[in-house]
Amino acid sequence: SAVISQKPSRDICQRGTSLTIQCQVDSQVTMMFWYRQQPGQSLTLIATANQGSEATYESGFVIDKFPISRPNLTFSTLTVSNMSPEDSSIYLCSVEESDNAYGYTFGSGTRLTVV
Amino acid sequence: SQKIEQNSEALNIQEGKTATLTCNYTNYSPAYLQWYRQDPGRGPVFLLLIRENEKEKRKERLKVTFDTTLKQSLFHITASQPADSATYLCAPQGHNYGQNFVFGPGTRLSVLP
Repeated sequence: SAVISQKPSRDICQRGTSLTIQCQVDSQVTMMFWYRQQPGQSLTLIATANQGSEATYESGFVIDKFPISRPNLTFSTLTVSNMSPEDSSIYLCSVEESDNAYGYTFGSGTRLTVV
Repeated sequence: SQKIEQNSEALNIQEGKTATLTCNYTNYSPAYLQWYRQDPGRGPVFLLLIRENEKEKRKERLKVTFDTTLKQSLFHITASQPADSATYLCAPQGHNYGQNFVFGPGTRLSVLP
């Protein structure tokens, strides 16, 4: 199955700043997904990143706050912009693998704390 | 709106017993339903997928059922071990590729030695 490298694994950031999270996959994938997991909560899909087109955002998430890049089929970034303490969460990237009976593989996550 | 419920926030069972976790959904007709395991500080790990036309799927000590009439999936772990302690998430998936992949709130399972 695909191996996902996600960086950074954790960070503590000042409010008002931005953080870019990177997700590198060891194989080419069509779609990459970005999730947020707030403390004690389940996962919420932020957006779907397609190579060569703009990301598709879920309700409640906007491009200005969470810009996403997808320059090729193995890499994506998610930026959390103008951060506030409410953005403190774990952010995860994910890919779908056709050889995993359509299961999704997740990165290990980025634990973000905004102070 | 779509709603996914998992039977309880936490479940404690004795080692060797069968753990049964429930996933109920409403206002939704998923084509697939997936189950994941998540350990603290880690991303979810895919366990099993069951399609809407399948009643049951097994993998080693794991068994999943899918009842589209009841809008429910059951996840069983037989001969449970302390290493099975984790949070288990169900995730119904729609018919369209990449469509609205929604996770349930999860059930935290603790297997006591």
